[in-house]
Amino acid sequence: DQQVKQNSPSLSVQEGRISILNCDYTNSMFDYFLWYKKYPAEGPTFLISISSIKDKNEDGRFTVFLNKSAKHLSLHIVPSQPGDSAVYFCAALSGTYKYIFGTGTRLKVLA
Amino acid sequence: GAGVSQSPSNKVTEKGKDVELRCDPISGHTALYWYRQSLGQGLEFLIYFQGNSAPDKSGLPSDRFSAERTGGSVSTLTIQRTQQEDSAVYLCASSLAGAGLYNEQFFGPGTRLTVL
Repeated sequence: DQQVKQNSPSLSVQEGRISILNCDYTNSMFDYFLWYKKYPAEGPTFLISISSIKDKNEDGRFTVFLNKSAKHLSLHIVPSQPGDSAVYFCAALSGTYKYIFGTGTRLKVLA
Repeated sequence: GAGVSQSPSNKVTEKGKDVELRCDPISGHTALYWYRQSLGQGLEFLIYFQGNSAPDKSGLPSDRFSAERTGGSVSTLTIQRTQQEDSAVYLCASSLAGAGLYNEQFFGPGTRLTVL
């Protein structure tokens, strides 16, 4: 049973436009969420996180929105750049140390 | 600075053979995780080490999988009698402690295992 779902396996966006990556979760006990970015042949790197006490967290071009009632979070990248092309994973913290990852969305930013 | 390193980067083995994958975490990081990423899948939690505490092995898929962490530093993941379904990228991550706002996980580049 997939507790964290990323239903879009891929997304293409024009450079300069907004990229919106979505993530849904099923467990209302999750209270901390993260986004990771992964380039080919590299490990994932942390991008941005959000605690369930917030509904928005912003860091430069990256903003994460959390809708607890819908059990949905999204990552917005504005403006999108070709270097943002990567696979993006959302993850939820289960308990105190175990992370549950989604299957990833491959973002391609077209120049 | 030195990040998390993993070796080998690629491993091709025959079905039924044993393999050992190595992870060198960032110095001073007490928490260490192993994950598996199969084709088209997300990162699947395998095992978690924290300091001298007993590891959380709840994610290991079968008793053919085992892991050790010696001296609170280097970790090895061993897969015995490999099967084709074990083919995946095995990722290691370390952090200063378990989890939370300030304990970011740092991932290694992974070991791509192919079982023929």
